[in-house]
Amino acid sequence: DTEVTQTPKHLVMGMTNKKSLKCEQHMGHRAMYWYKQKAKKPPELMFVYSYEKLSINESVPSRFSPECPNSSLLNLHLHALQPEDSALYLCASSQEHIGVRYFGPGTRLTVT
Amino acid sequence: AQSVSQHNHHVILSEAASLELGCNYSYGGTVNLFWYVQYPGQHLQLLLKYFSGDPLVKGIKGFEAEFIKSKFSFNLRKPSVQWSDTAEYFCAVTANSGNTPLVFGKGTRLSVIA
Repeated sequence: DTEVTQTPKHLVMGMTNKKSLKCEQHMGHRAMYWYKQKAKKPPELMFVYSYEKLSINESVPSRFSPECPNSSLLNLHLHALQPEDSALYLCASSQEHIGVRYFGPGTRLTVT
Repeated sequence: AQSVSQHNHHVILSEAASLELGCNYSYGGTVNLFWYVQYPGQHLQLLLKYFSGDPLVKGIKGFEAEFIKSKFSFNLRKPSVQWSDTAEYFCAVTANSGNTPLVFGKGTRLSVIA
């Protein structure tokens, strides 16, 4: 099973809302990632968790707050977002940092 | 830090034509190389990968890629494309050591016409 699941599939939120994106994998992978993808662009790395600890934060604004409750789950908490934050948010996981990243289907976020 | 360059922004081919998408990377050490595909409205899927060994790697759906170390290249090929190959193709690289991120190229959009 090489599946990474993400919920919700679509999310529309106002700039004052608080929402969370969820990601789950049951492949026993120890590295998990959040990426942001704008239309017609490659994914941009936001955060990396390794063994449930945040190991890379690519200078992401604090209105995005990641959380890794356990080795299978990854959350991205959203607060006070801007319209330019509208994008596809992808979660991925890998056995190790040098291994294959398996991507989830993404959450299509629209900020109004 | 590593970087990836994909030469073609948009490629348009007729069905049954041969495909080659260019990818060059910049990194002085040992790398792992990947091609991902993103079909319209779908998520990123791994087409193929190179870690070590035979530089000619075969992936899913008839795709293959050749790692040429001296040219820092990892071009993607398919002898005969189908309409269903219409998608965005991303080359990606990560260093083969340490906690280094996966770096994507800008992508090549392939349109296959009947």
